[in-house]
Amino acid sequence: ELKVEQNPLFLSMQEGKNYTIYCNYSTTSDRLYWYRQDPGKSLESLFVLLSNGAVKQEGRLMASLDTKARLSTLHITAAVHDLSATYFCAVDIITGNQFYFGTGTSLTVIP
Amino acid sequence: DAGVTQSPTHLIKTRGQQVTLRCSPKSGHDTVSWYQQALGQGPQFIFQYYEEEERQRGNFPDRFSGHQFPNYSSELNVNALLLGDSALYLCASSLGQFSMNTEAFFGQGTRLTVV
Repeated sequence: ELKVEQNPLFLSMQEGKNYTIYCNYSTTSDRLYWYRQDPGKSLESLFVLLSNGAVKQEGRLMASLDTKARLSTLHITAAVHDLSATYFCAVDIITGNQFYFGTGTSLTVIP
Repeated sequence: DAGVTQSPTHLIKTRGQQVTLRCSPKSGHDTVSWYQQALGQGPQFIFQYYEEEERQRGNFPDRFSGHQFPNYSSELNVNALLLGDSALYLCASSLGQFSMNTEAFFGQGTRLTVV
């Protein structure tokens, strides 16, 4: 059974600090997605990573994918309060947008 | 473009009842997937519909069924509701069942509470 694990599960960080969220998955996949979810809301797409070595950046967030290590990272630079949310990675192994989601990382940025 | 729309947004049902949730995909999309997200967990894949047929299914019992209409909209039906079915149900739409580069868009979800 495919497993997608994120760590940490909970992250509290001060504004201005940097941190990385890790996403490990247990089977081969070239497609990795990152989503953001605010409380009670749906999923907002952040990044789509479609090949080994892919790196994408948007504002203070940068995502990368290492398919050989089955690892993706979401790096946060100089965190601000608006980034407080739950972040999910998702793996698509059947090329049909049938996602296997990680456990989520609940991020709280403290002023 | 209205994006992916789901109805209703909230629903309260009693154990043993049946429920139907609805999803209209993003304009131009033909594939609809349903996910269940229990509180504090990541979404879990229920099933996917393409060309009005169930194409992929996750590890959910037969109490969960669905349908896709010719206009690509979809319904999720859950029979004999259990307390454990309480969750946020998310619909995702995409273009093409096995497209390498398509992106899925999620609706706002339906919050189902079973009492």
